[in-house]
Amino acid sequence: NAGVTQTPKFQVLKTGQSMTLQCAQDMNHNSMYWYRQDPGMGLRLIYYSASEGTTDKGEVPNGYNVSRLNKREFSLRLESAAPSQTSVYFCASSELRGANSPLHFGNGTRLTVT
Amino acid sequence: QQQVKQSPQSLIVQKGGISIINCAYENTAFDYFPWYQQFPGKGPALLIAIRPDVSEKKEGRFTISFNKSAKQFSLHIMDSQPGDSATYFCAASRQGGYQKVTFGIGTKLQVIP
Repeated sequence: NAGVTQTPKFQVLKTGQSMTLQCAQDMNHNSMYWYRQDPGMGLRLIYYSASEGTTDKGEVPNGYNVSRLNKREFSLRLESAAPSQTSVYFCASSELRGANSPLHFGNGTRLTVT
Repeated sequence: QQQVKQSPQSLIVQKGGISIINCAYENTAFDYFPWYQQFPGKGPALLIAIRPDVSEKKEGRFTISFNKSAKQFSLHIMDSQPGDSATYFCAASRQGGYQKVTFGIGTKLQVIP
């Protein structure tokens, strides 16, 4: 059981380049999330998808777009990377039962924008 | 606006000692308070969680204490071990049509032999 799988693990971009971070979960979870982790700032929600076919902005959505491709996959796209987007990005998933349930995280993508 | 305030940001504890991490929240609509543990190079993983209808929850060496009137909760790690060295995040969320979790800034714990 792989859980939440993120690719790539590491990426270096130049300012202005674009890229897509991929995320897939095999737990049949309804909800998926993208967070970024920065020192001293904890985990901040970029976008989330409560269920297949829906996406919504989180706390820090500027500069990002997302696609919920199907129930398993949720991708994050940087159209024009900026140095401020240097961060570690985590994808997570959770069941939606109408009650709180834990987040299951992938192991992250470490992105550096030069 | 930081809805969940966590302290300290870093903590060094001797092996066998008690590690204490504190969090405070502002939104009284929060009704689920999980703690996540993150090892280097890994994603956070749920450690223990509490709901506001109980004042304490214990799982092995890990205990959450919850004070609803003060809007504070804390994680105690008893008999701390070097293997507990990790970053700990407190969090809060509220039940609704979806789950959106607000995290504290994290505490980097180092347990020294």
